[in-house]
Amino acid sequence: QKEVEQNSGPLSVPEGAIASLNCTYSDRVSQSFFWYRQYSGKSPELIMSIYSNGDKEDGRFTAQLNKASQYVSLLIRDSQPSDSATYLCAARYNNNDMRFGAGTRLTVKP
Amino acid sequence: GAVVSQHPSWVICKSGTSVKIECRSLDFQATTMFWYRQFPKQSLMLMATSNEGSKATYEQGVEKDKFLINHASLTLSTLTVTSAHPEDSSFYICSAEAVGVEQYFGPGTRLTVT
Repeated sequence: QKEVEQNSGPLSVPEGAIASLNCTYSDRVSQSFFWYRQYSGKSPELIMSIYSNGDKEDGRFTAQLNKASQYVSLLIRDSQPSDSATYLCAARYNNNDMRFGAGTRLTVKP
Repeated sequence: GAVVSQHPSWVICKSGTSVKIECRSLDFQATTMFWYRQFPKQSLMLMATSNEGSKATYEQGVEKDKFLINHASLTLSTLTVTSAHPEDSSFYICSAEAVGVEQYFGPGTRLTVT
C-alpha cells in the first residue's frame, strides 16, 4: 500500500466553483502535512502546511486534516484557470521522512 | 517562503559524460537537502537525502556510484550524474529544509542526454 494516496484525476471544475482535492495516508504517526502546486514543466511550490486537526484557511485555499480518518484535503474556492496544475499532497513522518502522493491534476475551465 | 536555487536550469550533454547540478539555499541554512527526479507526466521520485557533512542516503534502486551527491555546506549540495546515458534524461529537482521549516523546492534542472 502506498504511503500517501491521491486520486490522479484529472479533476475538472468550472471557473468560480470550489475544487476539492483529497489525500489519504497510511500511517497514524504522520505529524505534518503539506500541499504543493506544480505547473507543467515547473518544480512544486508550497501552498499550505497543516499540523493539527481541523481547518486552516489562507486566502482562497483551505486545508482540512482529520488524523483519526488519516485524511487531508485542500479546497480551492472561486477556482480560476490559473489554478490549473497538479496538486501534490505530502506527509512528514516522525523520522523526518517526507513522502509525496502521485498528485491530482486539476483543470479549471473558463 | 524560503528561496532555493538550482544551476543550471537546463543542460544537454553527450552520452558518457558527467554533469554536475548545484542546489543552493539562498536565505536559510539547510540542514537537509533532497534530490528528486521526475519523468514526464509522472510523480516526483526521491533519489536521495543528504545532510551537511555526512554521506547521502539513497533510495532503493538509485545507484550511489552513478549519482554522486556532495553536501559540502549548509547552503550547497551538488548532484553529479556520472557517465550519463539517454535514459538519465529527466527533470532533476532539489529541495531544502531546515529544522522547523517546510521543504522548499528549487526550480529544477532539465537534463537531456544525447
